[in-house]
Amino acid sequence: GNSVTQMEGPVTLSEEAFLTINCTYTATGYPSLFWYVQYPGEGLQLLLKATKADDKGSNKGFEATYRKETTSFHLEKGSVQVSDSAVYFCALSWGYSSASKIIFGSGTRLSIRP
Amino acid sequence: DVKVTQSSRYLVKRTGEKVFLECVQDMDHENMFWYRQDPGLGLRLIYFSYDVKMKEKGDIPEGYSVSREKKERFSLILESASTNQTSMYLCAVSGLAGSSYNEQFFGPGTRLTVL
Repeated sequence: GNSVTQMEGPVTLSEEAFLTINCTYTATGYPSLFWYVQYPGEGLQLLLKATKADDKGSNKGFEATYRKETTSFHLEKGSVQVSDSAVYFCALSWGYSSASKIIFGSGTRLSIRP
Repeated sequence: DVKVTQSSRYLVKRTGEKVFLECVQDMDHENMFWYRQDPGLGLRLIYFSYDVKMKEKGDIPEGYSVSREKKERFSLILESASTNQTSMYLCAVSGLAGSSYNEQFFGPGTRLTVL
């Protein structure tokens, strides 16, 4: 079945460091891929998405590229800030209706030291 | 902006109690979802609804039921709460005309503790 695997946390970095959070997926067909972020005390919010192979999603300095050949969607940011401390979830959705379900990875907690 | 509200941020109940968790949206989203979030397990889908009075089981429906009598409101019911239902519960919506077809918008969550 469909599934998402992401690197376990916690990940602790210093401010301005380079960030990579790995995510790989297993799916039939051509799923859409997402990164969601959950700041402390809040619900999840969509960070970025990609709907087809080789698409690059980007937002707030974060980027991820849909790599079908390696079934990956790794999240990257060139220079992290303390305000990026949060839990990040990789996710996939399949189907073409708004009732499509989303499968989430287990989440990666990121902490940024000043 | 999409606004999804949940009735409580924190809730403490006793084993065997009937528990209601409410989710309300302020726009015309077709679909509503209930998840539970547990450390190391990510989010798991309990139930979802794609229309008023319609419901579908998710991956872990056992011990839960839902009700959607009005489009804007989706309730999660624990008929007889148990300690293994202690968790963070998240409501989400999707399906507003003109929005991304499968993007979900989340409420702030209800942290439920069952003693």
